[in-house]
Amino acid sequence: EDQVTQSPEALRLQEGESSSLNCSYTVSGLRGLFWYRQDPGKGPEFLFTLYSAGEEKEKERLKATLTKKESFLHITAPKPEDSATYLCAVQSLSYGGSQGNLIFGKGTKLSVKP
Amino acid sequence: EPEVTQTPSHQVTQMGQEVILRCVPISNHLYFYWYRQILGQKVEFLVSFYNNEISEKSEIFDDQFSVERPDGSNFTLKIRSTKLEDSAMYFCASSLGARGNSPLHFGNGTRLTVT
Repeated sequence: EDQVTQSPEALRLQEGESSSLNCSYTVSGLRGLFWYRQDPGKGPEFLFTLYSAGEEKEKERLKATLTKKESFLHITAPKPEDSATYLCAVQSLSYGGSQGNLIFGKGTKLSVKP
Repeated sequence: EPEVTQTPSHQVTQMGQEVILRCVPISNHLYFYWYRQILGQKVEFLVSFYNNEISEKSEIFDDQFSVERPDGSNFTLKIRSTKLEDSAMYFCASSLGARGNSPLHFGNGTRLTVT
């Protein structure tokens, strides 16, 4: 069964304190891995797509990496505005061509204190 | 920046009633989706829609659910006879293409409360 597990469930950082969020996945063939940010009361906001092991993507203070079993979202020198829930999702090759059937993890709730 | 809009933001209904959740996807997008998130749980896929027909659906999307694109701008999710367990946040999403290089853009959701 395809599955996505994120850790930790919650993470509190001081402003400027770098850290990493983990996304472990089990899928019968990975079509793509996606990172989203979700603010309270809002929908998920797209951050990155990763397709193959070794791939890396960067955006401002965020960097996503991918191995054959997990992905990391590295946050460098975070600011309070980075506080949000970060969601990881995968699309399995066992589904059809549409990317719509994303399997989400429960997310990591990040709090960054000034 | 264009965005997906959903109405209403909060819907309260009684068990057994029909509800229609409405979405206006981004105007040039071709693929449309509904997801739901029960409080404290994962975001779950319900259905994808392309070229006026369902392209994929999950086990959750049973005969109680239906989707429609009644005109060139709206995309709706209908729940025929609501149950208590249908209480959740429902997210509409759209994408330009079908692949990962065309990411899903989500709306801010409709919180459905079934009493």
